[in-house]
Amino acid sequence: EAGVTQFPSHSVIEKGQTVTLRCDPISGHDNLYWYRRVMGKEIKFLLHFVKESKQDESGMPNNRFLAERTGGTYSTLKVQPAELEDSGVYFCASSQGQGAVGYGYTFGSGTRLTVV
Amino acid sequence: AQSVTQLGSHVSVSEGALVLLRCNYSSSVPPYLFWYVQYPNQGLQLLLKYTSAATLVKGINGFEAEFKKSETSFHLTKPSAHMSDAAEYFCAVSGPGAGGFKTIFGAGTRLFVKA
Repeated sequence: EAGVTQFPSHSVIEKGQTVTLRCDPISGHDNLYWYRRVMGKEIKFLLHFVKESKQDESGMPNNRFLAERTGGTYSTLKVQPAELEDSGVYFCASSQGQGAVGYGYTFGSGTRLTVV
Repeated sequence: AQSVTQLGSHVSVSEGALVLLRCNYSSSVPPYLFWYVQYPNQGLQLLLKYTSAATLVKGINGFEAEFKKSETSFHLTKPSAHMSDAAEYFCAVSGPGAGGFKTIFGAGTRLFVKA
């Protein structure tokens, strides 16, 4: 079984540019999550999809961030325009059960975003 | 609302010594608790989980954790550290929140293992 795939693994962009991160969850996992870790701090929740619907987007920092999940399969997270404070590692995770009840999450390797 | 506090951003042990990584949680309802490990250049991997069954939970690679409700703790232990255990470890709590269940992570503890 393929795991959660994220790409790119690294991205360096200039302030003001646009970047799109992609996540392919495990096939059959309806729940998809985006998290972000900034500079060694805690891993913070961004949002949660159930299939193609946004179940909870309370962690999205501001309207420069846009997440989509086409047809309930892969998801993209677009940052436009990027700011310096957006730098960090963006993790995607998927699970069978909502909220990791009894299952836990399967994480991708993350995308390290550096805004210069 | 849930929260997690990991005591110590860095822990250093000698190979063969006991590993103890501390985690305290706060939750308004009985929590689901998890430990994840992140090796360099990899994603987070589930080590073990507590889901209201046995309070002593055994995970992969010889790790275990004990849920202590009275102390609101879920510390991670391993009797004998191995060099391959060097990694960053995250404690997490999952519970109901706005929009459904949410998992909250601690800030992580980096484990160093000395030869």
